[in-house]
Amino acid sequence: GENVGLHLPTLSVQEGDNSIINCAYSNSASDYFIWYKQESGKGPQFIIDIRSNMDKRQGQRVTVLLNKTVKHLSLQIAATQPGDSAVYFCAERRDNFNKFYFGSGTKLNVKP
Amino acid sequence: GAGVSQTPSNKVTEKGKYVELRCDPISGHTALYWYRQSLGQGPEFLIYFQGTGAADDSGLPNDRFFAVRPEGSVSTLKIQRTERGDSAVYLCASSLQGGDTQYFGPGTRLTVL
Repeated sequence: GENVGLHLPTLSVQEGDNSIINCAYSNSASDYFIWYKQESGKGPQFIIDIRSNMDKRQGQRVTVLLNKTVKHLSLQIAATQPGDSAVYFCAERRDNFNKFYFGSGTKLNVKP
Repeated sequence: GAGVSQTPSNKVTEKGKYVELRCDPISGHTALYWYRQSLGQGPEFLIYFQGTGAADDSGLPNDRFFAVRPEGSVSTLKIQRTERGDSAVYLCASSLQGGDTQYFGPGTRLTVL
């Protein structure tokens, strides 16, 4: 796995600014990716997904970009709000395509 | 419109005891997953059920861990002879089919004293 221990990378942004959270994945055969948001004491919540035949997908205030050349995924949040404060995980589907592997997460801290 | 539910939300037990954690998936979802999440880390895969059968149990750390899904719906994760290192949040997720988008429950926080 890609877990890196207790010290989560943290991104601090001002309310109203745009946020970009990055994720590097490991397997060029991975074909499906999901971003999850996890608030303290809760389970991960689905935000947006993208398949490997796409480069970009947009949702409400969120955009996911996929760069397969460098195996990089990003989540962009527009006009970040205090309610966006959480830990964000990317998950990749690989191997037999029935399992997902999660990154170590990025903590987003939105300052009012 | 129930999502994935898990019970109990918190479980405190003593080292050496046996615990059962329950997961009730979204109705109609054939695939069910168990994950373990330690503080500051992402969910770590334990086991995946497709219907009643364990299609992949490669993430179970040792033979103290076992899971069942006898009727293809509710699943129970069983941990024997608990150790302090088993303390974590145990998450359950379900999807329509294996490999589809997974939806998570709130988790069970297990503390082994």
